[in-house]
Amino acid sequence: AQSVAQPEDQVNVAEGNPLTVKCTYSVSGNPYLFWYVQYPNRGLQFLLKYITGDNLVKGSYGFEAEFNKSQTSFHLKKPSALVSDSALYFCALAMDSNYQLIWGAGTKLIIKP
Amino acid sequence: ETGVTQTPRHLVMGMTNKKSLKCEQHLGHNAMYWYKQSAKKPLELMFVYSLEERVENNSVPSRFSPECPNSSHLFLHLHTLQPEDSALYLCASSQDRGAGGENTQYFGPGTRLTVL
Repeated sequence: AQSVAQPEDQVNVAEGNPLTVKCTYSVSGNPYLFWYVQYPNRGLQFLLKYITGDNLVKGSYGFEAEFNKSQTSFHLKKPSALVSDSALYFCALAMDSNYQLIWGAGTKLIIKP
Repeated sequence: ETGVTQTPRHLVMGMTNKKSLKCEQHLGHNAMYWYKQSAKKPLELMFVYSLEERVENNSVPSRFSPECPNSSHLFLHLHTLQPEDSALYLCASSQDRGAGGENTQYFGPGTRLTVL
């Protein structure tokens, strides 16, 4: 069965430091992988996705994610965190064979000044 | 968020009320979705419409009734809800049905529903 895991409920980072939000997945086949962000009282905003090709994907607001097939991971990264990056981050997985995105439970990112 | 809009943003209703949630997408997409987001749980897909035809219904109770009159509008009609139905209801759209490849889902801001 396909699944997505975000092993950390919450990540705390000091402003200006690099940040990483972890995501691992389990599938049979080649997945499409997504990151979305949700700010308080807002809907989900698309950040980036991996389809195929270059393992390093660049997205909105300076975020990037690295697809690692051997480790079945798709961690979200940013070189220098901003307080405004504080939000809830969701990793999701899709396969060509169905309509559904498989979602992680989300990671709350807190950036402290 | 102007791509997908949802109204109302907040809704409080009693268990015997009937209300409707509205979603409109301005992206020219052909597929629309309803999701339920509860605290500390993964998003739950409720319904999928493609070209106004329902293509997915994930065992959602009949007290939730979707309607898609055209490819730009999606409604969720609510009646005799339970307190456990309190959640954030999100609408999304994508160019075509399916979640893979070039197809990306774009979300509205959601309706925060409280059932008393």
